[in-house]
Amino acid sequence: NAGVTQTPKFRVLKTGQSMTLLCAQDMNHEYMYWYRQDPGMGLRLIHYSVGEGTTAKGEVPDGYNVSRLKKQNFLLGLESAAPSQTSVYFCASTPLGPSGGASSGSYNEQFFGPGTRLTVL
Amino acid sequence: GESVGLHLPTLSVQEGDNSIINCAYSNSASDYFIWYKQESGKGPQFIIDIRSNMDKRQGQRVTVLLNKTVKHLSLQIAATQPGDSAVYFCAAVSGGYQKVTFGTGTKLQVIP
Repeated sequence: NAGVTQTPKFRVLKTGQSMTLLCAQDMNHEYMYWYRQDPGMGLRLIHYSVGEGTTAKGEVPDGYNVSRLKKQNFLLGLESAAPSQTSVYFCASTPLGPSGGASSGSYNEQFFGPGTRLTVL
Repeated sequence: GESVGLHLPTLSVQEGDNSIINCAYSNSASDYFIWYKQESGKGPQFIIDIRSNMDKRQGQRVTVLLNKTVKHLSLQIAATQPGDSAVYFCAAVSGGYQKVTFGTGTKLQVIP
């Protein structure tokens, strides 16, 4: 299993350009998430999906759109990139939802991808 | 809103010693707490978690302690090794994955 993969690994955009970040997981996980990580701040949730064909807004959704057409893929789009979107973007997935995994008494582990470093000039 | 903070941005520890990384949280309704390890250029990796109805949980060389009275969480790493060098951050989960609040991280440096 490759786990969670992200493409591209690095990208430089000019203000106003658009791009799509791809997240793929081969673990048959239901839930997928997009986070951004900025210096001096914790990970912040952009959007998430609880299953194929569903998406929902997270903490910082403005300027981003997402799609989950296939269960294994979660796409993050920037329609008109801004310098404030310079960040490292992480995708994550979990097998079940927030209440899943209760039988083990453990939190349902999030598996993270390696990240995409995006710079907007 | 909820905040999760780590007490020290950097911690230097001699190889073989024990490491203690601390974290404070603000939301008393948090259901779970998780510790992550993030190596340079990589995504966060789950280390250990603890439910809010527990006060201690042990894993392989790691122990997490939860003090709900003072809203404090700590990660103890026994016999710290060079491979433990990374940024460690805690997260508090309340009401589901859409309400996970991450701390900013403590960089652990292991001195050989």
